[in-house]
Amino acid sequence: DGGITQSPKYLFRKEGQNVTLSCEQNLNHDAMYWYRQDPGQGLRLIYYSQIVNDFQKGDIAEGYSVSREKKESFPLTVTSAQKNPTAFYLCASSMAGGGSYEQYFGPGTRLTVT
Amino acid sequence: DQQVKQNSPSLSVQEGRISILNCDYTNSMFDYFLWYKKYPAEGPTFLISISSIKDKNEDGRFTVFLNKSAKHLSLHIVPSQPGDSAVYFCAASESLGTSYGKLTFGQGTILTVHP
Repeated sequence: DGGITQSPKYLFRKEGQNVTLSCEQNLNHDAMYWYRQDPGQGLRLIYYSQIVNDFQKGDIAEGYSVSREKKESFPLTVTSAQKNPTAFYLCASSMAGGGSYEQYFGPGTRLTVT
Repeated sequence: DQQVKQNSPSLSVQEGRISILNCDYTNSMFDYFLWYKKYPAEGPTFLISISSIKDKNEDGRFTVFLNKSAKHLSLHIVPSQPGDSAVYFCAASESLGTSYGKLTFGQGTILTVHP
């Protein structure tokens, strides 16, 4: 059963702590993405990766870091430098190249930092 | 700078009637457009897309129209069903350069379909 998994569904952290959100896909997609959604707003791109061992900053990369050591995995670390980390985080993947830009999304992780 | 805008935060329609969701964009380099549907606390699911070489794409009850000169697209749902109640996002992409494959999303429109 192909898809994208994100874990955990809910995550709570104290201010000042780094936290890593997991994203795994078994769709054999080359490209992976991280977005955050805040209430009343659309999805904003944090980081994306078109190929293993390569990634680019999105529109709101400050305070976040990523790695892409394996095709299937694209973990996101929310560092203590991120000023407003509480949000709903969504991971997505797509086939790089060709004419299809459809991205498939995981179920999301809601992070609450207090 | 909001390159993709959905100016209607919400839309309410009666079951069986047409729902029309609108989206405007400013970046003339966008050449592929998508609509996603999202339920609370879930990831968005892909609905329908359209390339800039077309002005209409239809899939069952869903039709997307693209007006390139006006930089405007719309999603028509006919007939609307209560299960269509969700947040709808439009998204745009450009096929050239380093932004290849990167989607820019609008703010979303909450659609409520009343029985």
